[in-house]
Amino acid sequence: QQPVQSPQAVILREGEDAVINCSSSKALYSVHWYRQKHGEAPVFLMILLKGGEQKGHEKISASFNEKKQQSSLYLTASQLSYSGTYFCGTSKSDSWGKLQFGAGTQVVVTP
Amino acid sequence: ETGVTQTPRHLVMGMTNKKSLKCEQHLGHNAMYWYKQSAKKPLELMFVYSLEERVENNSVPSRFSPECPNSSHLFLHLHTLQPEDSALYLCASSQGGASSYNEQFFGPGTRLTVL
Repeated sequence: QQPVQSPQAVILREGEDAVINCSSSKALYSVHWYRQKHGEAPVFLMILLKGGEQKGHEKISASFNEKKQQSSLYLTASQLSYSGTYFCGTSKSDSWGKLQFGAGTQVVVTP
Repeated sequence: ETGVTQTPRHLVMGMTNKKSLKCEQHLGHNAMYWYKQSAKKPLELMFVYSLEERVENNSVPSRFSPECPNSSHLFLHLHTLQPEDSALYLCASSQGGASSYNEQFFGPGTRLTVL
């Protein structure tokens, strides 16, 4: 079952903060975050694992609440380059990279 | 070439045609993936290959046929497609097999239009 992302879209001014949430109805093993700019390939941002391990982008932060089966991505002091669509991908186990992706959150950062 | 490349970038085909999409990764990875991205829909995983063996076929119609001749190349053979198959087809690769611990690197995609 696909995770649910919220909000669907957000408009920010440069320097503002935003939070993108990704929720699942099933127990999660890992959460991946990717950003896709229009006409480009999705780019990896971060992976969060059950148990607290993380790996990813130095300037992006995220959290993983195992009890709530939810992950949040924090965009802090946003820059114009943060614009794009953010996707979370979730897996229930460490098997075959089978990620279920959310519908995406469109982020627009304006000057 | 670096990263993950896909050819062609755009493809228009009729419902009776046969065509193939090609993906090549230059990262030394050993797992490769095909995804379908339709407008206003989430990314859908189609196939996963780990060490050249197909390990996932996500209920994809038989008109889509993948092929992975080696760890660097992945093909998607298309035949008798339907207009609803029009979408962006993305290829990705990862290291360490197809574990969900490893980040996936995506290619730019092939924009497919079926007439």
